[in-house]
Amino acid sequence: QKEVEQNSGPLSVPEGAIASLNCTYSDRGSQSFFWYRQYSGKSPELIMSIYSNGDKEDGRFTAQLNKASQYVSLLIRDSQPSDSATYLCAVNGGNNRLAFGKGNQVVVIP
Amino acid sequence: GAVVSQHPSRVICKSGTSVKIECRSLDFQATTMFWYRQFPKKSLMLMATSNEGSKATYEQGVEKDKFLINHASLTLSTLTVTSAHPEDSSFYICSARDQVSSTDTQYFGPGTRLTVL
Repeated sequence: QKEVEQNSGPLSVPEGAIASLNCTYSDRGSQSFFWYRQYSGKSPELIMSIYSNGDKEDGRFTAQLNKASQYVSLLIRDSQPSDSATYLCAVNGGNNRLAFGKGNQVVVIP
Repeated sequence: GAVVSQHPSRVICKSGTSVKIECRSLDFQATTMFWYRQFPKKSLMLMATSNEGSKATYEQGVEKDKFLINHASLTLSTLTVTSAHPEDSSFYICSARDQVSSTDTQYFGPGTRLTVL
């Protein structure tokens, strides 16, 4: 089993809709969770970090963490064309190394 | 805050030459920096963890004699790709952790695109 899994294929959402991304992880001892956005040809940029169970909101982004079920999700409200990118879920298992999922491509259709 | 720079942003070299890539944390100190490689349409792959003042820790399958890492100060780590070959062509990205911050967030540099002819 991979450390971090993002299984959904490319996600197409109409402009203004909610995009929902999910991520599961295998290390139950993981403490830190991150969502990065990566535009084509660019490096990842941090969108959200979350450490405790529950929801964390920042602007149009909401991260949700459920340690019991070992999943973390990202909601993008009022999706904009500029949100079109690949979103990477990353988990720190306590050894200072981030394990990345393969990413989910989001396409916002105007 | 938390800005990481990389230089050069793009390099093209001949096979057999060596290429040095610099990673700098501009507004914070980083005892730990990380080097990743990303091939087209693939996820990030951690190559090594760079520790200030000590030897880097390489991931399994990464040749330490080919990818030389030096972390001589709290704001600078370098990756040297020695005797580069076309299969080394990739997008190399560094990240840095802010040692002062209580979080373990990694901030990424803009990346270096290496093309070996």
